[in-house]
Amino acid sequence: DAGVIQSPRHEVTEMGQEVTLRCKPISGHDYLFWYRQTMMRGLELLIYFNNNVPIDDSGMPEDRFSAKMPNASFSTLKIQPSEPRDSAVYFCASSLTAGGDTQYFGPGTRLTVL
Amino acid sequence: QKEVEQDPGPLSVPEGAIVSLNCTYSNSAFQYFMWYRQYSRKGPELLMYTYSSGNKEDGRFTAQVDKSSKYISLFIRDSQPSDSATYLCAMRYAGGTSYGKLTFGQGTILTVHP
Repeated sequence: DAGVIQSPRHEVTEMGQEVTLRCKPISGHDYLFWYRQTMMRGLELLIYFNNNVPIDDSGMPEDRFSAKMPNASFSTLKIQPSEPRDSAVYFCASSLTAGGDTQYFGPGTRLTVL
Repeated sequence: QKEVEQDPGPLSVPEGAIVSLNCTYSNSAFQYFMWYRQYSRKGPELLMYTYSSGNKEDGRFTAQVDKSSKYISLFIRDSQPSDSATYLCAMRYAGGTSYGKLTFGQGTILTVHP
């Protein structure tokens, strides 16, 4: 298996622009997680899905952030409009269950908002 | 106050040293405890997983959980340069609507020099 796939790997954009990050989880995994990592705040859970349904979005910072999972093999995280403070590495992870199973992380998308 | 506190280091040790990494937490509802390892510009990967209190050993790695003190540790014996990475503790609840949510520490940057 190729593991969790994220695209793009790097994104540089200007403040005010829309940014869309993409994730393909490991086939057969029922749970998908979106995280954000910064030096100041560490690794934070933004939202997670079970069988394509959002379960907990309490970590989504504000209305500028939205996430969708239209099917079991694809999810997007959108930021509109983007701001410099959104600059971070965004990780997608997937797992078989939410419980005892390992969360497998993708390589991340490094976002820079100028 | 953060739910999970971890000294970010950095920690630099000579090859062969015993390394001790620690986290404290404030929420007694956490029941599952994990250590993730993150190499530079990569996603985190699960290293150790323990439930409740006690020790768990896997090769050169030992994870300890002391729930009475709300304190977890990771020990690395005979450290190698390949152990150089950021180590993140993580924990989650045993149940509830958000039991899939992992709460991470800040991560400790470890360098093992030859």
